[in-house]
Formats: sequence, C-alpha cells, structure tokens
Amino acid sequence: GAGVSQSPSNKVTEKGKDVELRCDPISGHTALYWYRQRLGQGLEFLIYFQGNSAPDKSGLPSDRFSAERTGESVSTLTIQRTQQEDSAVYLCASSPQAQSEQFFGPGTRLTVL
Amino acid sequence: GENVEQHPSTLSVQEGDSAVIKCTYSDSASNYFPWYKQELGKGPQLIIDIRSNVGEKKDQRIAVTLNKTAKHFSLHITETQPEDSAVYFCAPDTGRRALTFGSGTRLQVQP
Repeated sequence: GAGVSQSPSNKVTEKGKDVELRCDPISGHTALYWYRQRLGQGLEFLIYFQGNSAPDKSGLPSDRFSAERTGESVSTLTIQRTQQEDSAVYLCASSPQAQSEQFFGPGTRLTVL
Repeated sequence: GENVEQHPSTLSVQEGDSAVIKCTYSDSASNYFPWYKQELGKGPQLIIDIRSNVGEKKDQRIAVTLNKTAKHFSLHITETQPEDSAVYFCAPDTGRRALTFGSGTRLQVQP
C-alpha cells in the first residue's frame, strides 16, 4: 500500500518568506509526527498529533513554526518569516498508535537563501 | 527530558564482520526501544524494536539486547554486508509524546 508522502520534495525560498510543507500519512494511522533534520545531524522532534487530542507542540523551536492536521489525514507545517537556520530536511512520520513503528516519508529539503 | 547517547558516532567494519551500536538513555520510564536505519536521501526505517518485558530479540542478522537496570540497549548486526552501510538511530520511548532520537551512528561496511 501507499506509504507516507510529503510535498514538495525540495523547496528553495528567500529569507523572510513563508513556506508550507505537506504530509499525507498512511490511511488509518492516528499518530503523526514532524521532525527536523539538519545536515549530518539526528532527528529533532517538532510536533505530535494523536487522534483528536490536543497536539504536543513542545518541540517547535519558535512561534514562527506552526502545524495543523485535519482529522486523521493531511498535516501541514508552516514556517513564517523563514531564516537561514531553518534550512534542513523536514520529515513526517505516522504510526497506527503510540509506541509503535513510525513510518517516515521521504522528507522535504528546505533551503533558505 | 530524556537524555539519549549513542556510541560510536562512526563505525567502519569489513564485510562479514559484526557491528555493535550502543544506546544509553536516562529516563527509567522508557519501555519501548526501536532502532531505525536511514539510507542516504531517505527517511528512517524501523529495523528492529524491543519492549521492556524481554531482554533480547533477534531477526536474522539483526538483534537488539536490552539492559533496563543499566539503562542501555544495543543493536547487533552480524555478517555485515555493504547494503548495511547507513546511519542508525535509537529512539527510547517512555510513552510520552515527545521522542528523543540518538545522534546517530554512521556504519560503513567495507567490501
């Protein structure tokens, strides 16, 4: 079946512009995660959605970052007034429940000039 | 929050040798212990996981061992092959929402 998909695969933007990244999780997966991965680094947790519960936003680095999820489907991560330090690969993952395998998308590579 | 350390950060082995990567965590509430493999340009993929009610789990050439008392778990790969070359991450999970991944281990298998 279809895995987690993300779009765009690559995004180049100018400093100060807003960007929106999209994640389509696996159908039926109630949990959805966003991570940031800088070049050669590990995964940095950003935000977690679980069903209809309030999202865990504890990993968002600043108020320029926000995310939404429509029910148990698509999620969008928005970065406002992008900065060069926002350049990274943004990974989305979904899982059928907490404490189970996370299925990762291929990521969106964001470059802020 | 959880403090997670992975060692070594890089590991180079000859094809056919074994590789061991260790993950140390701080939160004694951790009860789910997965290992992920990330190939270049791709998202991480689960290769093996273990829960706290068992001490070891094996899947063909890959095994994970858990020492809850010492708060560490290890990934063991035997008979390594060039396609095992990748970055490996541990991610001990307490069941709370925020996950902390280890910093990663780059494994290079020399043919």
